[in-house]
Amino acid sequence: KAGVTQTPRYLIKTRGQQVTLSCSPISGHRSVSWYQQTPGQGLQFLFEYFSETQRNKGNFPGRFSGRQFSNSRSEMNVSTLELGDSALYLCASSFQGGGSTDTQYFGPGTRLTVL
Amino acid sequence: AQKVTQAQTEISVVEKEDVTLDCVYETRDTTYYLFWYKQPPSGELVFLIRRNSFDEQNEISGRYSWNFQKSTSSFNFTITASQVVDSAVYFCALSEMNRDDKIIFGKGTRLHILP
Repeated sequence: KAGVTQTPRYLIKTRGQQVTLSCSPISGHRSVSWYQQTPGQGLQFLFEYFSETQRNKGNFPGRFSGRQFSNSRSEMNVSTLELGDSALYLCASSFQGGGSTDTQYFGPGTRLTVL
Repeated sequence: AQKVTQAQTEISVVEKEDVTLDCVYETRDTTYYLFWYKQPPSGELVFLIRRNSFDEQNEISGRYSWNFQKSTSSFNFTITASQVVDSAVYFCALSEMNRDDKIIFGKGTRLHILP
């Protein structure tokens, strides 16, 4: 069975621009979570979507948003990019979500560089 | 508060040596889950193990073993007879089931296995 896929794998943007990242979960998985990984802050939870609804949200500003489609694919959007948004953005999928009760499978990530 | 501490930022051992990665967690909940993930240079997080707070049995999977001790709030990971392919960043994580169910990661331990 195909794993979690993320597109694009690499992205370079400039400050003030916006960006959209895409994540396709494992077939049959209904939950998609997004994480930001930086050298300074480590891995931080952004948000989780389940059945097209945001179920959980981390402590990130409103510039970070997401959505999930009926086929469980998810997109993450960052508006008005800042230098500090440069990071590896990881997507994880699981069957029913809930980090404690369900195993999450991660994609390869999208590396975003903001100049 | 929810917190995961991996005090070892970087470890180097020679191939075939055993190595233990430490993980100490803080939680106010009685029901929680602990995880270990491996992140090879490719960037994709690989799930290794999930353990719930009611199961303190140690677990062994091939060369990997985990020691869960609630008395010391630790969930340590040992690799026996290490191999070069074990070189990666290893993350310990915690999820509190009775709260918002988000996964909190430690800062990670970078493991170098020298040939």
